[in-house]
Amino acid sequence: AQSVAQPEDQVNVAEGNPLTVKCTYSVSGNPYLFWYVQYPNRGLQFLLKYITGDNLVKGSYGFEAEFNKSQTSFHLKKPSALVSDSALYFCAVRGPTGGGNKLTFGTGTQLKVEL
Amino acid sequence: DGGITQSPKYLFRKEGQNVTLSCEQNLNHDAMYWYRQDPGQGLRLIYYSQIVNDFQKGDIAEGYSVSREKKESFPLTVTSAQKNPTAFYLCASNVGAGSTDTQYFGPGTRLTVL
Repeated sequence: AQSVAQPEDQVNVAEGNPLTVKCTYSVSGNPYLFWYVQYPNRGLQFLLKYITGDNLVKGSYGFEAEFNKSQTSFHLKKPSALVSDSALYFCAVRGPTGGGNKLTFGTGTQLKVEL
Repeated sequence: DGGITQSPKYLFRKEGQNVTLSCEQNLNHDAMYWYRQDPGQGLRLIYYSQIVNDFQKGDIAEGYSVSREKKESFPLTVTSAQKNPTAFYLCASNVGAGSTDTQYFGPGTRLTVL
C-alpha cells in the first residue's frame, strides 16, 4: 500500500524568509509525487510533480520541491515566502502500477506566512 | 479549478434525504474521481471511474453511489445510509489511467446535514 506523511500540521514563516513543507512517502516501485495547494473553501490547485529525472522540480508561483530517494522525501520549498502563500498544502503519491491511477494524499500542512 | 465545475457550491440536507452533487468537466478526460475532505484527515477517495459506464469503489464508498453515463459527467449521490455526510466534497479528473498524469480538481461542494 502507498502512503504519505506530512509531519507538521502547521508551519509558520516570516515573509521574505525561506519556507519548507515536509513530505515523506512509501510506495512500491518508482514514486510519482505531487504537491497541491488549497485556499479556503476552494478546490486543490496543482503546483508541481516529480516523475523522473532531475531531483529538483520547479513549479508554479516560485515553488520547488526536492526528491530524495534515499530518504523517501519530497519536501516543498520556496526561497522567499509571501503572505499570499498562506494556505493548506497537500503532498500526494502514486505508484507505477495499481488500480485506477489513484493518488494517496497526506493530511495536509497549514502554512502561515506573517509580516 | 480549470475546466471542472461542481454544483452547487453549498448544499444543505435534512437527515434521511438523498442528495446528488454534480461534477462536469470539459477537459476530455477519461478518468474522474470523487473525494471527501474532513478537517485534519486529508482527502479520502469515495469512487472513481476510468471510462464511461464503469466505476469502482474507493476507500470510503459506503453510503454513496455514482454513475458515469457520459464522459463529461460524474454525479455523486449521498444517500441516507451515509452516517456522517457533512463534509467538503471534491471532484477531480485526469486525462487517462497513466501513473504520471496530473489530477485536476473542481472547486468543491460543501454539504451540511441539518
